[in-house]
Amino acid sequence: ETGVTQSPTHLIKTRGQQVTLRCSSQSGHNTVSWYQQALGQGPQFIFQYYREEENGRGNFPPRFSGLQFPNYSSELNVNALELDDSALYLCASSRGTGAPVTNEKLFFGSGTQLSVL
Amino acid sequence: EDKVVQSPLSLVVHEGDTVTLNCSYEVTNFRSLLWYKQEKKAPTFLFMLTSSGIEKKSGRLSSILDKKELFSILNITATQTGDSAIYLCAPDAGGTSYGKLTFGQGTILTVHP
Repeated sequence: ETGVTQSPTHLIKTRGQQVTLRCSSQSGHNTVSWYQQALGQGPQFIFQYYREEENGRGNFPPRFSGLQFPNYSSELNVNALELDDSALYLCASSRGTGAPVTNEKLFFGSGTQLSVL
Repeated sequence: EDKVVQSPLSLVVHEGDTVTLNCSYEVTNFRSLLWYKQEKKAPTFLFMLTSSGIEKKSGRLSSILDKKELFSILNITATQTGDSAIYLCAPDAGGTSYGKLTFGQGTILTVHP
């Protein structure tokens, strides 16, 4: 167990709806990165939050947005859901201090499986 | 744009076989190459490789990096059914790219009894 928890584990939505996914980071970790993993693909970086600020974004449209709270937990929001948004959404927490730190200390949660019908 | 290619995409073997998984990459500001094992859902860390030619080992798993030819291999000897998983590689640019990994497509390994 990595200490990173995600909720819900599974979710079914219809096209056009909005969804919020949640991630509780490991104790002491102040950085959360979100990834999307489509079936048969590797995880794709969506964005990262460090101390409540967005700290980098991958090639995802603005309808993917996020938040990080003072306790460093995080939310991923997706508006206007499309069929292609069906995927496993993973979050990973780490203790980023702004100084170069190895990705070896990146801990993943078990993900939220989102199905868009 | 960073590029990571893994091969084969899938592999089916029997217990006791030895497998070699490949990862080639093209990234700017390369710092290290990471391997993860994904069973069920959460990827778990296997190896971090930073230097060419130095093999890292963990039990039946080993991995090596070639920074000149831009590839890495992951070997698993005497495979067991518990090795069945998706194996992911990701080059790491470190620094401000911390936590922002570009993963390959993964190799799906299935080990039959």
